[in-house]
Amino acid sequence: GAGVSQSPRYKVAKRGQDVALRCDPISGHVSLFWYQQALGQGPEFLTYFQNEAQLDKSGLPSDRFFAERPEGSVSTLKIQRTQQEDSAVYLCASSAWTGGSTDTQYFGPGTRLTVL
Amino acid sequence: AQTVTQSQPEMSVQEAETVTLSCTYDTSESDYYLFWYKQPPSRQMILVIRQEAYKQQNATENRFSVNFQKAAKSFSLKISDSQLGDAAMYFCAYRIHGSSNTGKLIFGQGTTLQVKP
Repeated sequence: GAGVSQSPRYKVAKRGQDVALRCDPISGHVSLFWYQQALGQGPEFLTYFQNEAQLDKSGLPSDRFFAERPEGSVSTLKIQRTQQEDSAVYLCASSAWTGGSTDTQYFGPGTRLTVL
Repeated sequence: AQTVTQSQPEMSVQEAETVTLSCTYDTSESDYYLFWYKQPPSRQMILVIRQEAYKQQNATENRFSVNFQKAAKSFSLKISDSQLGDAAMYFCAYRIHGSSNTGKLIFGQGTTLQVKP
């Protein structure tokens, strides 16, 4: 596609519900990143995929957060038993980077999650 | 641990004037990249400019330029001839160089730039 797309753009969940956020990266991009952006703050790294392999999940805040990219393209970030502190914008980014190069991370528009 | 600090939560500039946004970072690495990203209210993050730490020459992209001071760990963004479309939140970001790392970006807290007509 022309850019990174994310769906849904907005999600309202009741506390305790499970949610799934989708990211469609730029076609052919090897690397995929998830970031969490609290209101008025900078994005914070959650997890990283190189193709289908999740190489870094050090930023996931708890075991309620789970991400997958089974075929090396589309990725889903799942949050189980949502809490109010999970309310944030979740950004997805992709890049052609495979290590050591200077390529760019292209960001999607984000999914704004509100947990009531 | 690497950290990025933007000490100016908000800045304003008159249209056609010049403004400088500040950024400092802390790292023990010698090889890394620095970035400025722009995030308009629509929230699509866009890369403005990039600097490789091994390059002494400051990066320039049209009206955007940086002042990279490696010893001081400072990386400021200068916007010349400011336009109304420059109004956005600007993030400074850092990434370690090398194939042994994931390439994740570490962001500062952001600076909201207002452009006055």
